[in-house]
Amino acid sequence: GAGVSQSPSNKVTEKGKDVELRCDPISGHTALYWYRQSLGQGLEFLIYFQGNSAPDKSGLPSDRFSAERTGGSVSTLTIQRTQQEDSAVYLCASRVSSGGGDEQFFGPGTRLTVL
Amino acid sequence: GEDVEQSLFLSVREGDSSVINCTYTDSSSTYLYWYKQEPGAGLQLLTYIFSNMDMKQDQRLTVLLNKKDKHLSLRIADTQTGDSAIYFCAESIWGQGNLIFGKGTKLSVKP
Repeated sequence: GAGVSQSPSNKVTEKGKDVELRCDPISGHTALYWYRQSLGQGLEFLIYFQGNSAPDKSGLPSDRFSAERTGGSVSTLTIQRTQQEDSAVYLCASRVSSGGGDEQFFGPGTRLTVL
Repeated sequence: GEDVEQSLFLSVREGDSSVINCTYTDSSSTYLYWYKQEPGAGLQLLTYIFSNMDMKQDQRLTVLLNKKDKHLSLRIADTQTGDSAIYFCAESIWGQGNLIFGKGTKLSVKP
């Protein structure tokens, strides 16, 4: 497809379980971002990949959160030992380059519900 | 620190103009953005402005930037019911790759 895709679209899990969320960026986009959108909280930056550089993990809220980007394309966000406060919509975005002014294209998000 | 603030709600009548306001704190902003999010959908970039500009117009959209006051606004002319959505203001900061978002303004358009 032409846009950023994410899977699954919805995920319900039990507290304490691990979850993996997947993002397929637009082909050729070197920059990939993960954000979290909680009710009434806007978008919170989590992690950013740019090409082969070390990722910027400054937004990850705890060491239960990690992300990988394999082959400079697909990315997986992993949340270990999920907690109820992890419930949110997780959005992925990709960008042609890291230069300012380039549009970040967002995927539809994965809605995570932790029971 | 970095902070982007917006009012949470705005209600207008169809055909009127809507003005959504945003303030930011970081003076090293490079670009400022307006995104639109419709229910159940991802974010769609509406427009963006470079920080050394003071105005940008694109069809029904007008962006005004007051860099001295760190104030950004989005004006939607002839607002339609299809404009009902949440509008996010965001900034990019020199040296950082990610965007910093406000909490969003929910625009309701009444017929």
